Amino acid sequence: DIQLTQSPNSLSASIGDRVTITCRASQSISNYLNWYQVKPGKAPKLLIYVASSLQSGVPSRFSGSGSGTDFTLTISSLQPEDFATYYCQQSFSTLWTFGQGTKVEI
Amino acid sequence: QVQLQESGPGLVKPSQTLSLTCTVSGDSVSSGHHYWSWIRQLPGKGLEFIGYIYYSGSTYYNPSLKSRVTISVDTSQNQFSVNLTSVTAADTAVYYCAGRLPDYFDYWGPGTLVTVSS
Repeated sequence: DIQLTQSPNSLSASIGDRVTITCRASQSISNYLNWYQVKPGKAPKLLIYVASSLQSGVPSRFSGSGSGTDFTLTISSLQPEDFATYYCQQSFSTLWTFGQGTKVEI
Repeated sequence: QVQLQESGPGLVKPSQTLSLTCTVSGDSVSSGHHYWSWIRQLPGKGLEFIGYIYYSGSTYYNPSLKSRVTISVDTSQNQFSVNLTSVTAADTAVYYCAGRLPDYFDYWGPGTLVTVSS
């Protein structure tokens, strides 16, 4: 299985901060990397697909980059509704796997 | 707007079968656009892909769960379901249904907590 390791596991930030989350794959996955936002009791939300494409309806403060084994999710100016847990997910191999999550807290 | 909603018992006894259903609105499970999927979030851990079904009936299961999982589709009800047999406390999780495209999951349900306990 392809392992995805996110860092950090959690972070504390303030409104307006620039936040960066990284995701490292155990082998090259080209650009087959997606990012999701998860809040308790709510449907997870696709933010970024194939590394850098912004899902329709997602604010432009979210961006993704990377290829191969190293990927980044950036929130340019953190808003109150962005406090959540973020997961990366690879779709390169037959068995899709997720990172362990990064919790963004106030 | 496509919406998914999970339903089923919130409490299952050890060794019994966990059964959940996902009702899809705003799209047809027969449309052929999506692979209808189940994912779970184990307590304090990340997300784990369980498996998917295509409207034709073809399935794929996570090898770690394959011996215990069955996913089925009911096109007349626009639903798909998951059965997980011989559950233990380790199967306690929030279970999500989702619509999967070739490269990502674009639609998710809000999830349902299933606790395995006697």
